[in-house]
Amino acid sequence: AQTVTQSQPEMSVQEAETVTLSCTYDTSENNYYLFWYKQPPSRQMILVIRQEAYKQQNATENRFSVNFQKAAKSFSLKISDSQLGDTAMYFCAFMAYGGSQGNLIFGKGTKLSVKP
Amino acid sequence: GAVVSQHPSWVICKSGTSVKIECRSLDFQATTMFWYRQFPKQSLMLMATSNEGSKATYEQGVEKDKFLINHASLTLSTLTVTSAHPEDSSFYICSDRPYRDSGGAFFGQGTRLTVV
Repeated sequence: AQTVTQSQPEMSVQEAETVTLSCTYDTSENNYYLFWYKQPPSRQMILVIRQEAYKQQNATENRFSVNFQKAAKSFSLKISDSQLGDTAMYFCAFMAYGGSQGNLIFGKGTKLSVKP
Repeated sequence: GAVVSQHPSWVICKSGTSVKIECRSLDFQATTMFWYRQFPKQSLMLMATSNEGSKATYEQGVEKDKFLINHASLTLSTLTVTSAHPEDSSFYICSDRPYRDSGGAFFGQGTRLTVV
């Protein structure tokens, strides 16, 4: 069974600063995806970034980037130039690709507060 | 715009009554959809996998007779909470099945259920 662990329940960062959220996972699968989702107070789940496990290059999306360490099963999210709108819960998620399921397995989340 | 629409956004019902939550795919054919439950300040937990034209697959510990899932068409999956009790109060979210090029799962807006 796959597990996703986020060891930081809460974090805070000053506006315009950089913050890194940690995520580790455990799996015996070879083909999988990793995601970071943002859940603002509205509770709408918003995809921030995704990483295919077969790609060595770390994914980037504007101010968001990941540090994907496959051997260590680590998938951290770096937010640069933090903005007040980044305040939200952030969930790391795993999905095995090619199986019959296709559902996401989530970590417990990290509550990020961006302070002015 | 949203590709998965969930309705209602919130509902209050009396204990013992049933509540139906709808999850619609707006611009694609969804043969598989997922239903998650989220308790306050917690992560999303998969309840069941909804399969078009066949029975849903429930996760261990989820009562299939209490949480009825119907996926009669390629654009609509419904979750009915039967004989609701206060402990069923929660946030319920549906999503589609991520495909290789989709970028990640799309989520409905979620439904906040309060049973009084």
